[in-house]
Amino acid sequence: NAGVTQTPKFRVLKTGQSMTLLCAQDMNHEYMYWYRQDPGMGLRLIHYSVGEGTTAKGEVPDGYNVSRLKKQNFLLGLESAAPSQTSVYFCASSGNPGQGANSNQPQHFGDGTRLSIL
Amino acid sequence: QKEVEQDPGPLSVPEGAIVSLNCTYSNSAFQYFMWYRQYSRKGPELLMYTYSSGNKEDGRFTAQVDKSSKYISLFIRDSQPSDSATYLCARVQGAQKLVFGQGTRLTINP
Repeated sequence: NAGVTQTPKFRVLKTGQSMTLLCAQDMNHEYMYWYRQDPGMGLRLIHYSVGEGTTAKGEVPDGYNVSRLKKQNFLLGLESAAPSQTSVYFCASSGNPGQGANSNQPQHFGDGTRLSIL
Repeated sequence: QKEVEQDPGPLSVPEGAIVSLNCTYSNSAFQYFMWYRQYSRKGPELLMYTYSSGNKEDGRFTAQVDKSSKYISLFIRDSQPSDSATYLCARVQGAQKLVFGQGTRLTINP
């Protein structure tokens, strides 16, 4: 039972390099999210998707792009990495909300990608 | 002002103690809150989900929302070393987006 799988787990980049982080979920969830976690800042939402082919900006989207070509995959791209993007990146997914109050679905998280930009 | 504020700790208590973890939020219109637990080098996992005001209990864990003071709390009874983790409160926005507090690092000492 894999749940949410993030690839790679660790990566070191040089400033200006590009890379793509991959998130895959096997729960048939519609909603997917990318967060970054920095000391003292908690998790902050970068981009999210409410279904295949859709993406939207979160709280801290600058410097990142995303794509959701397949329902099970959500890709996060860094076009030109900067030291300020050194962080731990988490992907999450959730099912559709139900009807009425108290119907939000929990987010299921992967174990993160630790990214260092030198 | 951040939407959700949380004391980052660290908090260290002896085994068996009652632990109280707290968050404040900025807007009384917020209704949905979640508590996540995060072990070192792991992703967060959902502990409790609360809606509006009142208490919700699950085993040794109780989540409480006080709308009048814009305060949410998580209580852990009979704390165990396995409860040592970072605890994150979050409020739920549209599209089920989460706005997290900074997280509180908790250590339970045997």
